[in-house]
Amino acid sequence: QSALTQPASVSGSPGQSITISCTGTNSDVGKYNLVSWYQQHPGKAPKLIIYEVTKRPSGVSNRFAGSKSGNTASLTISGLQAEDEADYYCCSFVGRTTYVFGGGTKVTVL
Amino acid sequence: QVVQSGAEVKKPGASVKVSCKTSGYTFTRYGITWVRQAPGQGLEWMGWVSAYNGDKTYAQKFLGRVTMTTDTSTSTAHMELRSLRSDDTAMYYCALISAVGLGSFDPWGQGTQVTVSS
Repeated sequence: QSALTQPASVSGSPGQSITISCTGTNSDVGKYNLVSWYQQHPGKAPKLIIYEVTKRPSGVSNRFAGSKSGNTASLTISGLQAEDEADYYCCSFVGRTTYVFGGGTKVTVL
Repeated sequence: QVVQSGAEVKKPGASVKVSCKTSGYTFTRYGITWVRQAPGQGLEWMGWVSAYNGDKTYAQKFLGRVTMTTDTSTSTAHMELRSLRSDDTAMYYCALISAVGLGSFDPWGQGTQVTVSS
């Protein structure tokens, strides 16, 4: 199972919106609504921020939004803040209780 | 809360067993998934095991080298990786998943550093 494709880096100024794409195939992202997103600050464990494509766990800012179109899922961060600077990973179910991560995207707040 | 065992240093060819203890959860309502992250690299899914019925799935890459188990008496999951190589040096994370292995991973343990070096 090949890793999902994410851009290596995305940047934006405070207050702007950015979108991170996560491209898979019709066997993973395109087939199942089990895409999740994780935020990881340096030296810390990942944290779930989006599950089942669009849902936010309790306590996660509504500035984070997930979506999907075809084989590509997306994470949009609106009102970018300094604390959003981190690595972001998408993850998709690929069947038979198997999962695959994206390569990760480094978000820089300019 | 999900708390993992401490850092390990192993020689090539050895085995390592990482523990993941949960508290505040009804352990048998969940599964445990394992994810690793090599230095400077991304996340890699290794597999999962159900604390409900012992069902498990391992990523193809680790078949034959990894064993994931749960101990319901102590609400603890274990991941053993054998025949260690230098490229197994990584931070190993556990996280909760649903008992049937579907969904997202939340919460995560703090990670266990495994270093493989001669």
